[in-house]
Amino acid sequence: GDSVTQMEGPVTLSEEAFLTINCTYTATGYPSLFWYVQYPGEGLQLLLKATKADDKGSNKGFEATYRKETTSFHLEKGSVQVSDSAVYFCALRETGGFKTIFGAGTRLFVKA
Amino acid sequence: GAVVSQHPSWVICKSGTSVKIECRSLDFQATTMFWYRQFPKQSLMLMATSNEGSKATYEQGVEKDKFLINHASLTLSTLTVTSAHPEDSSFYICSVWGNNEQFFGPGTRLTVL
Repeated sequence: GDSVTQMEGPVTLSEEAFLTINCTYTATGYPSLFWYVQYPGEGLQLLLKATKADDKGSNKGFEATYRKETTSFHLEKGSVQVSDSAVYFCALRETGGFKTIFGAGTRLFVKA
Repeated sequence: GAVVSQHPSWVICKSGTSVKIECRSLDFQATTMFWYRQFPKQSLMLMATSNEGSKATYEQGVEKDKFLINHASLTLSTLTVTSAHPEDSSFYICSVWGNNEQFFGPGTRLTVL
């Protein structure tokens, strides 16, 4: 079945450091890919998405590119802030489907 | 996007009691809602998909008699954990499907003593 694998955390960075959170997926079809963020005490929020190969999703300085050849959707940000501390989930959804498959989540701590 | 609320935000109950969690779509009529369970430091696991006015579809391994889901209106779905036990302690999150996107509630933390 479909699955999502993302790097284990926690990831601890200093403010203004470069962030990469790796995500790879397994899917039988052509899914849409997502990154969700969960701030402490809050629900999941959609951070960015890409619906087809080579698409780049971007939001709030974060970006991720849908790489079909490597089945990856790595999340990057050039300069993190303390306010970026949260749990980040990579996810996929098959085209036309309702079911979203989530990765295990990666907790990010950013120190001032 | 849709605004989704859950009530209560946290609940503590004794083993053997039943607990009802409400999920409301505040500004959107949701035909389809989802219930997830999230264990500490783990991902969200889909428990069931509910469609307004019909029975919920449960994922494999989820006991439908233990986790009762009612989606009686386009703005409200409820999850009742019946005869709760300590292993049911978890973070329960509902989600609404709309405008080709999924919106999540803030979650309900259940602790069963």
